[in-house]
Amino acid sequence: AQSVTQLGSHVSVSEGALVLLRCNYSSSVPPYLFWYVQYPNQGLQLLLKYTTGATLVKGINGFEAEFKKSETSFHLTKPSAHMSDAAEYFCAVSDRQRGNKLVFGAGTILRVKS
Amino acid sequence: GAGVSQTPSNKVTEKGKYVELRCDPISGHTALYWYRQSLGQGPEFLIYFQGTGAADDSGLPNDRFFAVRPEGSVSTLKIQRTERGDSAVYLCASSLNTGVGNNEQFFGPGTRLTVL
Repeated sequence: AQSVTQLGSHVSVSEGALVLLRCNYSSSVPPYLFWYVQYPNQGLQLLLKYTTGATLVKGINGFEAEFKKSETSFHLTKPSAHMSDAAEYFCAVSDRQRGNKLVFGAGTILRVKS
Repeated sequence: GAGVSQTPSNKVTEKGKYVELRCDPISGHTALYWYRQSLGQGPEFLIYFQGTGAADDSGLPNDRFFAVRPEGSVSTLKIQRTERGDSAVYLCASSLNTGVGNNEQFFGPGTRLTVL
C-alpha cells in the first residue's frame, strides 16, 4: 500500500523567506507524485507533478519540487514567500495499479508573516 | 471552460437521514473520483468510475455509502442512515482517463456535509 507523510502540520515563514514543505512517500512501484494547494473555501489546485524524466519539477507560482528516490522524498520549495502563498498544501502519490487514485498526506498549513 | 461542479455546497442533515451529493465532471472526462476530507486531514479516496462502472469502490467505509454514474457523466454519492461521523467535505474530481497515471485530476469545490 502507498502512503504519504508530511512533516509539520503547520509551517510559518516570513515574507521573502524560503519556503520548504516536506513530503516523504512509500510506494512499491515507481511513483507519480503531486503537490496540491487548497486556499480557504476553495477546491484543490494542482501545483506541480512528477511522473518520469527530470527529477526537478517546476510548478505554478514559483514553486518547485525535487524527486529523490534514494530518500523517498518530494519536498516542495519556493525561494521567496509571498503573502498570497498562505494556504494548505497537500502532497499525494498516485496508485497506478488501482486506477490512479490519489493517496494524500495530512497536509501542511503555511503561514506567511509580514 | 467549466470546471468540476458539486451541489449542494453545504448540506446539513439530521442523524439517520438520507442524503445525495451531486458531481458534474468536466465534459469529456471519463474518469471520476470521490474523496472525503475530514477536519484536519487530507482527502481520502472513496470510489472511482471509469465511464459508467465503478472500477474501484474499496474506499467506501460501509454499505451505507453508494455512488452511481448512470450515463457516464454526472455522479451521485448517496449516504443512507447518516451518522455524525459522516460529517466531512466530500470532494469530487475528474480526469481524462485512468489509462495513464499522470493524468491530472481536477477537483470540485466540495460539498460540506454536517450531520447533527
